[in-house]
Amino acid sequence: NAGVMQNPRHLVRRRGQEARLRCSPMKGHSHVYWYRQLPEEGLKFMVYLQKENIIDESGMPKERFSAEFPKEGPSILRIQQVVRGDSAAYFCASSPAPGTSGTDTQYFGPGTRLTVL
Amino acid sequence: GEDVEQSLFLSVREGDSSVINCTYTDSSSTYLYWYKQEPGAGLQLLTYIFSNMDMKQDQRLTVLLNKKDKHLSLRIADTQTGDSAIYFCAESITKGSYIPTFGRGTSLIVHP
Repeated sequence: NAGVMQNPRHLVRRRGQEARLRCSPMKGHSHVYWYRQLPEEGLKFMVYLQKENIIDESGMPKERFSAEFPKEGPSILRIQQVVRGDSAAYFCASSPAPGTSGTDTQYFGPGTRLTVL
Repeated sequence: GEDVEQSLFLSVREGDSSVINCTYTDSSSTYLYWYKQEPGAGLQLLTYIFSNMDMKQDQRLTVLLNKKDKHLSLRIADTQTGDSAIYFCAESITKGSYIPTFGRGTSLIVHP
């Protein structure tokens, strides 16, 4: 009965380091979404993936950010050379393939809170 | 401007009803959602409504949709201190990927 799992829950990095955030979708879900939440703001869509395929990355910054969802293992959001402005909560959500369930609802993980010193 | 707008704060007394409002701009919205976020936690789906419905009730929660005015509301009856959280409205547009657009969230504060 595991929901969406994210780790680590908290991550501290110094400027210039790399951050790797992991997300394991709910069992039976083949689609993963990453969102960023800045303090006192709503969620902003970053990227939408299915296994081995990026479907929509229109919300992802063009530089330093990348995402993957390999055939085996969790989805990874990677931020290279982090800057202070990257400090935020990063949420992952998963869903079944669109059109396969009544609502195409996304289920969210607990988030990773990234702090860049 | 934003596609989904919500007021930022709402304060109510325990036992009263809370009404959280949301407006959206895209008339092709398919689903409208309410999510709850407690401090330090992820978003929990509370309820959703399909765009051809006017109302949906689920225990203490009532969702009303006025499609003409593009207005969505969430009513929480008999509000409890445990209902204190941020409530996000979101819309999902039929465009294949069903990526919802979120409002900025309404902070509900429940006073004893």
